[in-house]
Amino acid sequence: SQQGEEDPQALSIQEGENATMNCSYKTSINNLQWYRQNSGRGLVHLILIRSNEREKHSGRLRVTLDTSKKSSSLLITASRAADTASYFCATDGRNSGYSTLTFGKGTMLLVSP
Amino acid sequence: ETGVTQSPTHLIKTRGQQVTLRCSSQSGHNTVSWYQQALGQGPQFIFQYYREEENGRGNFPPRFSGLQFPNYSSELNVNALELDDSALYLCASSLGQAGYTFGSGTRLTVV
Repeated sequence: SQQGEEDPQALSIQEGENATMNCSYKTSINNLQWYRQNSGRGLVHLILIRSNEREKHSGRLRVTLDTSKKSSSLLITASRAADTASYFCATDGRNSGYSTLTFGKGTMLLVSP
Repeated sequence: ETGVTQSPTHLIKTRGQQVTLRCSSQSGHNTVSWYQQALGQGPQFIFQYYREEENGRGNFPPRFSGLQFPNYSSELNVNALELDDSALYLCASSLGQAGYTFGSGTRLTVV
């Protein structure tokens, strides 16, 4: 079953604009990760934020985590047409005897030139 | 170059048949996880192998089985294929609880 939900399901913006995607989850986590997927191919790891962190940056990416609300957001600044892809959040469970990822359904981002 | 190689890229099988998908993990990674991604959905965890033993399993029936070899490569076997098994199958390797590296996936179509 899915851990949570990404919001929105789809987002269409112009190049240069910022894109914000949100993710909610249900259980305690070790960390939360964001992945990108182009055209139904493999997942590319973007950024990981640990449960004791509140904000993290990587290039044009900014991720926030609010464990009290069980939510995270991914901000892509100054978007480019090449950012067009599906974006997934994935939680790495805290209570499992092993580490594995639980994904949401994803946000489909379209960046128009 | 992701470091994780999956084969084949695409596969078409008939309902009731059996299929084997293969994954070569990234060098130095001792853990392999398999995920199923249906169209329009997020990946769903199938199972995980660590040092040749299954150490975790998601909500998939026993006809989904796997192997991990001494070189940490892995196979996913699915018996008695059903139409709903049509999906993208993703393999991810990791070193313990460090970050995951995903392969490009195998697109399985069951007709």
